[in-house]
Amino acid sequence: GENVEQHPSTLSVQEGDSAVIKCTYSDSASNYFPWYKQELGKRPQLIIDIRSNVGEKKDQRIAVTLNKTAKHFSLHITETQPEDSAVYFCAASTDTGRRALTFGSGTRLQVQP
Amino acid sequence: GAVVSQHPSWVICKSGTSVKIECRSLDFQATTMFWYRQFPKQSLMLMATSNEGSKATYEQGVEKDKFLINHASLTLSTLTVTSAHPEDSSFYICSARKGLAKNIQYFGAGTRLSVL
Repeated sequence: GENVEQHPSTLSVQEGDSAVIKCTYSDSASNYFPWYKQELGKRPQLIIDIRSNVGEKKDQRIAVTLNKTAKHFSLHITETQPEDSAVYFCAASTDTGRRALTFGSGTRLQVQP
Repeated sequence: GAVVSQHPSWVICKSGTSVKIECRSLDFQATTMFWYRQFPKQSLMLMATSNEGSKATYEQGVEKDKFLINHASLTLSTLTVTSAHPEDSSFYICSARKGLAKNIQYFGAGTRLSVL
């Protein structure tokens, strides 16, 4: 089955700096890679996703890159703000079929004002 | 939008009782729903995959007789924790997949179960 590893487990940055979170996956059949943000006690919220037919996707301050050959993908947050503080999870799955998401272990991001 | 409602948000029960958690897709039909369990400061661990009208598929190590899943309609799946014990205390979250073309999943708000 799929295995997703995520690093770092915690990340502290100063407001305005960039934050990068990295994930690797094991199943070459995976072609869908979403990122979720979860605030304490709340539901995970999809913030961005990428499919294997593209190498990069951007949405304002958030970008995700994908390297299919190396089986890794990364989340980049620029100009971080205190409200970006949360736990971020990467995940991997296939777009078709009924496969569940396999989540990484999560990264706790703390943005210091 | 795509809204998934999960109830109750918090439940406290005595050891040995059963607890039912509901997961509803409010504005779309969910071909598949998933149930996850999350321990404090940990990731989401898949418990089972629930397809409408068929039996749920459980992950290895998840007791199907303890965690009963019913997916009676395209908008409702239920998880019943039977004969709950303190070790079942956790945060349970459902997600619903909208359609089959893309694997975008929408999450419920979660249920915090505390078994005394």
